[in-house]
Amino acid sequence: RKEVEQDPGPFNVPEGATVAFNCTYSNSASQSFFWYRQDCRKEPKLLMSVYSSGNEDGRFTAQLNRASQYISLLIRDSKLSDSATYLCVVLRTGRRALTFGSGTRLQVQP
Amino acid sequence: GAVVSQHPSRVICKSGTSVKIECRSLDFQATTMFWYRQFPKQSLMLMATSNEGSKATYEQGVEKDKFLINHASLTLSTLTVTSAHPEDSSFYICSAREKGQGGTGELFFGEGSRLTVL
Repeated sequence: RKEVEQDPGPFNVPEGATVAFNCTYSNSASQSFFWYRQDCRKEPKLLMSVYSSGNEDGRFTAQLNRASQYISLLIRDSKLSDSATYLCVVLRTGRRALTFGSGTRLQVQP
Repeated sequence: GAVVSQHPSRVICKSGTSVKIECRSLDFQATTMFWYRQFPKQSLMLMATSNEGSKATYEQGVEKDKFLINHASLTLSTLTVTSAHPEDSSFYICSAREKGQGGTGELFFGEGSRLTVL
C-alpha cells in the first residue's frame, strides 16, 4: 500500500465550480501535511500547509482528520489558472524528507 | 522567497555515459538537500538525502554507486548518474531546506532536470 494515496483524476470542472480533492496517508506517525501544486513538466510548489484545525487561504481550504488519516483540499470559484496537478504531501516524524502522493490532476474548462 | 537553482534543465545523452546535475541554494545555506526522481504520471520518489560534508543517505532500492551524490558546500549538491541507461530517463528534482529551519521548514525545489538517455 502506498504511504500517500490520491485519486489521480482527472477532474474536469467548469470555471467557477467548487472542487474537492481527498488524500489518505497510511503512517500514523506523520506529523506535518501539505498541498503542493505541480504544473506540467515543472517542479512542485507549496500551495499551503494543512493544520489540524483546518485552514483557509483565499479560495483554498485544507482540512486534516488525524483519526481517519485523511486530508482534503477544497477549491472554490475555480479559475483556468488552477489547472494543474495537486500533490498531497506528508512529513513523517523522525524523517527529514517529504513523501509525495502521485497527485490529482485538475483541468478547469472555460 | 528562497531560490534553488538546478542545472542543466534538460540533458540528452548516449547510453553508457555519465551525467552530472547540479543543485544550488542561491540565497540560503542548506546542510541537507534531497534528490527526487519522477517518472511520467507518477509521484516524486525520494532517491537520497544529501548531507553537507558527509555521505549521502540512499533510499532502499537506489544504487549508491550508480547515483553518486556529492555535497561539498552548504550551497551545492551534485547528482551524477553513472553509466546511464534508457531506464534512467526521468525528471530529477532537488530540494533544500534552509539551515536551522528544522524538519518542518518549507522545502524549496529546483526547477528539475529532465534526463533522456538514448
